Amino acid sequence: DAGVTQSPTHLIKTRGQQVTLRCSPKSGHDTVSWYQQALGQGPQFIFQYYEEEERQRGNFPDRFSGHQFPNYSSELNVNALLLGDSALYLCASSAGTGLNTEAFFGQGTRLTVV
Amino acid sequence: DQQVKQNSPSLSVQEGRISILNCDYTNSMFDYFLWYKKYPAEGPTFLISISSIKDKNEDGRFTVFLNKSAKHLSLHIVPSQPGDSAVYFCAASAGYGQNFVFGPGTRLSVLP
Repeated sequence: DAGVTQSPTHLIKTRGQQVTLRCSPKSGHDTVSWYQQALGQGPQFIFQYYEEEERQRGNFPDRFSGHQFPNYSSELNVNALLLGDSALYLCASSAGTGLNTEAFFGQGTRLTVV
Repeated sequence: DQQVKQNSPSLSVQEGRISILNCDYTNSMFDYFLWYKKYPAEGPTFLISISSIKDKNEDGRFTVFLNKSAKHLSLHIVPSQPGDSAVYFCAASAGYGQNFVFGPGTRLSVLP
């Protein structure tokens, strides 16, 4: 079982550009959540996708958007990148959206905006 | 406003002794709590959880205690091992299917 896989592992972008991050959930999982972890802080929830729809959203601007595909994989898109978007982006997958559902995290994508 | 707080950024413990990591929360709607462990260059991995209907949950060397009146939970690791050295995140959730709010983490160093 490959677990949750994210690509790319590292990325450098210029301010104002757009970026797409990808996530493949753990086998058997149908729900994908995205988190942003700034240096020295805990992960902050961006949004969650289930059945190809955004089900929940954290306090992030519309520049952050996503998509879930029929195979449950997901993309996170960030437009008009700011220096403050530099962070580790984590994808977590789970089976369903239930409260007591353990989420498995990928290793993350380190995004640096210069 | 930080809803989940971990006031100790770091903690050092001797191998074989007990490690106690603390977490405080402000949102009284939180009713499910988890601890995650994170090694460098890896994603967080689930460690242990506790529901608000319990005050203690134990899994091997790891025990989580929940004090709802004080809005406080703690993770005890006994005995501590060098492989436990990592950053530990406390996370909380309110209600069915809600997202998790993470604390800033505590870096645990277990010294041989």
